[in-house]
Amino acid sequence: NAGVMQNPRHLVRRRGQEARLRCSPVKGHSHVYWYRQLPEEGLKFMVYLQKENIIDESGMPKERFSAEFPKEGPSILRIQQVVRGDSAAYFCASSSKRTENEKLFFGSGTQLSVL
Amino acid sequence: AQTVTQSQPEMSVQEAETVTLSCTYDTSESDYYLFWYKQPPSRQMILVIRQEAYKQQNATENRFSVNFQKAAKSFSLKISDSQLGDAAMYFCAYRYGGATNKLIFGTGTLLAVQP
Repeated sequence: NAGVMQNPRHLVRRRGQEARLRCSPVKGHSHVYWYRQLPEEGLKFMVYLQKENIIDESGMPKERFSAEFPKEGPSILRIQQVVRGDSAAYFCASSSKRTENEKLFFGSGTQLSVL
Repeated sequence: AQTVTQSQPEMSVQEAETVTLSCTYDTSESDYYLFWYKQPPSRQMILVIRQEAYKQQNATENRFSVNFQKAAKSFSLKISDSQLGDAAMYFCAYRYGGATNKLIFGTGTLLAVQP
């Protein structure tokens, strides 16, 4: 069983470009979470998606950031017009159910560097 | 708002010895979950141990155990018989019970294991 797969592992962008981060959850999982880890900090919740729906985006910056989890294919976190402050590790996690006892599986993250 | 505090940025332990990592949290909820995650250099977040707030008994997983003091809002991790492979960043995390898998993380403790 493959775990949560994130790609690319490293992504370099220049200021003003777009970054697209992909997350394939564990097979059969329909709940996806995105977290961001700034240097020297813990992970911060960004958004929670279920297939084709955004459930909670309270941690997502209001501008330039968007996320989707289509019926088919991976979840995508998209950052438009990147700035240096967007440099961070972005983690995806998945679970099969929205229950309190459900374990969360994390990917290895995408390290975004903005030049 | 819920917060998680890890006051030890770095800790060091000799191989085979015991070390305790501290974590305090703040919440007004009575139903919640607490976690310790390990993040090795590979960056993948690995669940070490989990504690349900309604359980009085401290959770244990092999060499890992917690000291959960609900009234003091303290949740420390004890690692016994430390091994070189335990060297990693350790994050304490909180999740409100009954809600999504939206975790609130502390800033982490970097654990070094000396041979």
